Amino acid sequence: NAGVTQTPKFQVLKTGQSMTLQCAQDMNHEYMSWYRQDPGMGLRLIHYSVGAGITDQGEVPNGYNVSRSTTEDFPLRLLSAAPSQTSVYFCASSYEWGLGELFFGEGSRLTVL
Amino acid sequence: AQTVTQSQPEMSVQEAETVTLSCTYDTSENNYYLFWYKQPPSRQMILVIRQEAYKQQNATENRFSVNFQKAAKSFSLKISDSQLGDTAMYFCAFMIRSGATNKLIFGTGTLLAVQP
Repeated sequence: NAGVTQTPKFQVLKTGQSMTLQCAQDMNHEYMSWYRQDPGMGLRLIHYSVGAGITDQGEVPNGYNVSRSTTEDFPLRLLSAAPSQTSVYFCASSYEWGLGELFFGEGSRLTVL
Repeated sequence: AQTVTQSQPEMSVQEAETVTLSCTYDTSENNYYLFWYKQPPSRQMILVIRQEAYKQQNATENRFSVNFQKAAKSFSLKISDSQLGDTAMYFCAFMIRSGATNKLIFGTGTLLAVQP
């Protein structure tokens, strides 16, 4: 079972470059979300979606865009990368909004120089 | 605002012994979930155990159990018969069960090392 798949696993960017982190799930989950993990700060919610066509902001949305055109995919876009966006990014999904059990991808380590 | 606090950045335990990881949280809500997630060196987060706030009985999953003290807003994780594979970062997390959000709020984590 693939579960939640994130690509790429590693990426190095220069300040000002743009890129998209891909996330796909094959479990027909309605809820999908993006977190970033920084040392000493746990995981913080960037954006989330409760279904195709619906997205909303989390705790730290600035500098990131998302869209949800299908149930399976939830890409995260960095429009103009900054060193402060160096982090490990996790995509997570759950079957039903409100149940809370999230299934995570393996993470994407992004370094912005 | 809801917060989750894990006051133990690192802990160590001998194989086969028992260890307890602490977690406290702050909320004015009455209906919520609490979770412990495990993040091994491979990085992928795995759900260890879940507790619903309205249930008084403490959740148990094999060697993992919680001590949920609602009035004290405390949610500790006990790992019995520790195994080398339990070595990981453990995150406590909180979620309000309401119609407005499905956001998990995480603590900063406790790095557990199981020593042979």
